[in-house]
Amino acid sequence: QVQLVQSGAEVKKPGASVKVSCKASGYTFYLHWVRQAPGQGLEWMGIINPSGGTPTYAQRFQGRLTMTSDTSTSTVNMELSSLRSEDTAVYYCARDLYGSGSFDIWGQGTMVTVSS
Amino acid sequence: EIVLTQSPGTLSLSPGERATLSCRASQSINNNYLAWYQQKPGQAPRLLIYGVSSRATGIPDRFSGSGSGTDFTLTISRLEPEDFAVYYCQEHGSSSYTFGQGTKLEIK
Repeated sequence: QVQLVQSGAEVKKPGASVKVSCKASGYTFYLHWVRQAPGQGLEWMGIINPSGGTPTYAQRFQGRLTMTSDTSTSTVNMELSSLRSEDTAVYYCARDLYGSGSFDIWGQGTMVTVSS
Repeated sequence: EIVLTQSPGTLSLSPGERATLSCRASQSINNNYLAWYQQKPGQAPRLLIYGVSSRATGIPDRFSGSGSGTDFTLTISRLEPEDFAVYYCQEHGSSSYTFGQGTKLEIK
């Protein structure tokens, strides 16, 4: 059973960047990042193939979001720059259920707080 | 980009009752890439249904999905106490993924 384990909570100041990691215990075709602001719904951010290739980002994050992978450690990283208070959220990585357009395994979530 | 609208916003029912949750898309979803998730407070979402009507691994058969085009439904045949949670629908279009705003299923 694949497990996704994310890095710990972060507190950042406005304008800073944050990097959240997601380590997979087994093979994953694609990994997504999804975020959830406090008391709000789910928002898709982007998708990456951990084995390589160009990530795809949701349009609203273009220019601020960077996803990378490290195949030697089976880790995918999500970096969001120019943080603002509205980026305060729980950030999840989630495995793509291949061929279904859905997410079948989720990380535990990483709380990112942006506050001056 | 497709917009998903879920209704009702909140559904109040009792254990043992039948729950019907709706998800309406702003454009037709022709590839059957429609999924449902359950989320409890402080937890990550859990995949229930994918491909409109296929149950994910380990999901009880009281959960079922149906629909086509722009109208989709998640049905819980007989509510168990652990089913009270927030439910989201989600679609996958061309290079994007969209969630509905959620339906909260609460105990009456």
